[in-house]
Amino acid sequence: QSALTQPRSVSGSPGQSVTISCTGTSSDVGGYKYVSWYQQHPGKAPKLMIYDVSKRPSGVPDRFSGSKSGNTASLTISGLQAEDEADYYCCSYAGSYTYVFGTGTKVTVL
Amino acid sequence: EVQLVESGGGLVQPGGSLRLSCAASGFTFSSYWMSWVRQAPGKGLEWVANIKQDGSEKYYVDSVKGRFTISRDNAKNSLYLQMNSLRAEDTAVYYCARVVPWEFGYWGQGTLVTVSS
Repeated sequence: QSALTQPRSVSGSPGQSVTISCTGTSSDVGGYKYVSWYQQHPGKAPKLMIYDVSKRPSGVPDRFSGSKSGNTASLTISGLQAEDEADYYCCSYAGSYTYVFGTGTKVTVL
Repeated sequence: EVQLVESGGGLVQPGGSLRLSCAASGFTFSSYWMSWVRQAPGKGLEWVANIKQDGSEKYYVDSVKGRFTISRDNAKNSLYLQMNSLRAEDTAVYYCARVVPWEFGYWGQGTLVTVSS
């Protein structure tokens, strides 16, 4: 049950795209198609942004997209906006009804 | 509107106990798996425990097995986390979350648990 590995921080200017990676193992990210991503603003509860690797819940802008290759999942934010500045966490189902989160990535809009 | 409201957090001494509650509304509580997720100050998220719709199956992260117990009362639309033998490393904001079905679709605002002497 080791945390998934994410970069500590990424940054971009408004309008640019940024991609956050999330690396796990064949027992979690690589073994299931149940990777989700969460946005968390300071002092707030996390919010679901992507589920099942690449699906967006209703209300989430299509600027947010997800993908997976092998043991690494990715979240891409296109057309970066000021309100996208937040912490982002990936999460993977890890079998036997257990879950593992990523270490978290701080997105800074320059 | 889905609402999850946690309560019961506070300051407790190492080795002590605390019971967290989560009041659910705006959806059919008995139809969903529920979870507890925690976040230590300045740190990342950590899944803590899951419980099946009827309470018949429960799962825990290794670090809390034998110390924490997740439970639910579907008649009261409530989720609970009984925490015993608390340690300093259990200090965190504890969130309850609705599991739908492989992700955490809705979250409460969290309740802070501080374990310190």
